[in-house]
Amino acid sequence: DTGVSQDPRHKITKRGQNVTFRCDPISEHNRLYWYRQTLGQGPEFLTYFQNEAQLEKSRLLSDRFSAERPKGSFSTLEIQRTEQGDSAMYLCAGGGLSTDTQYFGPGTRLTVL
Amino acid sequence: TQLLEQSPQFLSIQEGENLTVYCNSSSVFSSLQWYRQEPGEGPVLLVTVVTGGEVKKLKRLTFQFGDARKDSSLHITAAQPGDTGLYLCAGINAGGTSYGKLTFGQGTILTVHP
Repeated sequence: DTGVSQDPRHKITKRGQNVTFRCDPISEHNRLYWYRQTLGQGPEFLTYFQNEAQLEKSRLLSDRFSAERPKGSFSTLEIQRTEQGDSAMYLCAGGGLSTDTQYFGPGTRLTVL
Repeated sequence: TQLLEQSPQFLSIQEGENLTVYCNSSSVFSSLQWYRQEPGEGPVLLVTVVTGGEVKKLKRLTFQFGDARKDSSLHITAAQPGDTGLYLCAGINAGGTSYGKLTFGQGTILTVHP
């Protein structure tokens, strides 16, 4: 158990709907990352927070995606107007500032019908 | 864009056999990590290699970082069914604006049959 939790674990939605995922790292995790993993592939970086500041966003993060970490603790990832191509596992990882180790949550599996 | 190529993509072996997974890049990384991921779960860190030529052992697993820090290998001795899973390599570029983000290979799905 890495101490990083994600909710929900599974989400099935219809195309065009909005969805929001939550990630709760442990309190020592100043760094928070979101990744997306499609079937048969390795995770791809989406965005990075250092405390409450969003410092980097991948070009994979279209304008339908938005992420927040309002108090530097939990984070949310929202996808608006979902498309079938958004179907994937969305992984959150936390880490400290003085280490390269990232602790992954169990992920949220999104299926867009 | 930095890419990591893993090979093979699929590996199906019998219990007791040895295997090697390779991770190659045209770019230099500050360090490289290996993860194992089970279905429906997030990746779990196995090892971090930092120095070119470094070799690390974790029970039956041996990890090596290439001298030029562009490639790595994972060798498993006497594989067991419990080793079954997705093995991922990931490169890190420390410092600057990379913020420690991981660049993953596409993974190797290992199945060990009893």
